[in-house]
Amino acid sequence: GQNIDQPTEMTATEGAIVQINCTYQTSGFNGLFWYQQHAGEAPTFLSYNVLDGLEEKGRFSSFLSRSKGYSYLLLKELQMKDSASYLCAAVDSNYQLIWGAGTKLIIKP
Amino acid sequence: GAVVSQHPSRVICKSGTSVKIECRSLDFQATTMFWYRQFPKQSLMLMATSNEGSKATYEQGVEKDKFLINHASLTLSTLTVTSAHPEDSSFYICSARDEEEGTDTEAFFGQGTRLTVV
Repeated sequence: GQNIDQPTEMTATEGAIVQINCTYQTSGFNGLFWYQQHAGEAPTFLSYNVLDGLEEKGRFSSFLSRSKGYSYLLLKELQMKDSASYLCAAVDSNYQLIWGAGTKLIIKP
Repeated sequence: GAVVSQHPSRVICKSGTSVKIECRSLDFQATTMFWYRQFPKQSLMLMATSNEGSKATYEQGVEKDKFLINHASLTLSTLTVTSAHPEDSSFYICSARDEEEGTDTEAFFGQGTRLTVV
């Protein structure tokens, strides 16, 4: 079956760095997305990786290892507004999105 | 970037009535749109894939007679929750991709609809 695993909840301190991991098992693979979702709102796009390696975009970076079925989202210089859920979604062979349950990130002052 | 508009953002209805939710792609055409349901503190659950000009594809366990999907044009898909019950109360979100940009493009989400059935 297809499966996406990510931690349920993480806590970090304002100004620090946090890494949110995601492992996936899908029938075929056509890339991986990271989305941010604040409570009561729709998800917003953060990143897309299809090749191995690190993609940096401002304070946020995303890494992919296709051979390991693994990705992480790295958030630097954490701000209070980064408190949200972070959703990992893999694209399978039919180009369908397989969603993880999301990681709730709590930022403390 | 591409925009998907969903309406209404919030709706409260009485048990037994029907509610229609609209999802529009504003600056691109979408032959396929996706309808999700999200329970509190849980991830998105795909309900169905809406296909322009043909029947929607429903995920296992989703009642197609209860959640009617119509995708009559390349920019509009509607989800109608028929004979709503309190257990249908949830956050419903639609999404679409700009398919002309390729299959590796992000999915754009509507704003979501918070449905409360009383």
